[in-house]
Amino acid sequence: SQTIHQWPATLVQPVGSPLSLECTVEGTSNPNLYWYRQAAGRGLQLLFYSVGIGQISSEVPQNLSASRPQDRQFILSSKKLLLSDSGFYLCAWTPEPGGETQYFGPGTRLLVL
Amino acid sequence: AQSVTQPDIHITVSEGASLELRCNYSYGATPYLFWYVQSPGQGLQLLLKYFSGDTLVQGIKGFEAEFKRSQSSFNLRKPSVHWSDAAEYFCAALPGSARQLTFGSGTQLTVLP
Repeated sequence: SQTIHQWPATLVQPVGSPLSLECTVEGTSNPNLYWYRQAAGRGLQLLFYSVGIGQISSEVPQNLSASRPQDRQFILSSKKLLLSDSGFYLCAWTPEPGGETQYFGPGTRLLVL
Repeated sequence: AQSVTQPDIHITVSEGASLELRCNYSYGATPYLFWYVQSPGQGLQLLLKYFSGDTLVQGIKGFEAEFKRSQSSFNLRKPSVHWSDAAEYFCAALPGSARQLTFGSGTQLTVLP
């Protein structure tokens, strides 16, 4: 069966520090992968999605970036965190082909101080 | 503009009472429709989805949803709510040609003993 992992589960970082969040999917190949952010009291905002290795589409311009170095690995990064980057980051995947349904990971809680 | 609307930010029901959470969508053609549930600090869990066919969809945890084309709605229902159903519920839509889900702003459900 397929599973999705995210780590770390919780992260507290100072403003200006770098960030690296990791998402991996097991039990499937060539998934579509997604990064969402959920700020306090708000809905989900799509940040990036990827249809394959090295293929990244950005939905919102910001100081975050994403990379997909391997088929089932998706990384969210920042060189310098802002206070406004605090939130709950969720990774999701869909199987391909015909991947209409997104399945979500457990999330990473990021607090920038 | 294409959008998903959840008119109720917060709903409170007593345990054992029935529940209906509203969702309306605004798209030119009927999108794929989803309901997710999120417990505090957790990722999103898929409750049910509608692609086509029978307009009454059964999901997990005793939930069901009814698609009504004439009202552009996809309301979530449960006949008898349990205390463990307290969570935030998100409706989402995926147009046939798109890869990205559009989420509603969520409805927070409180269950009274």
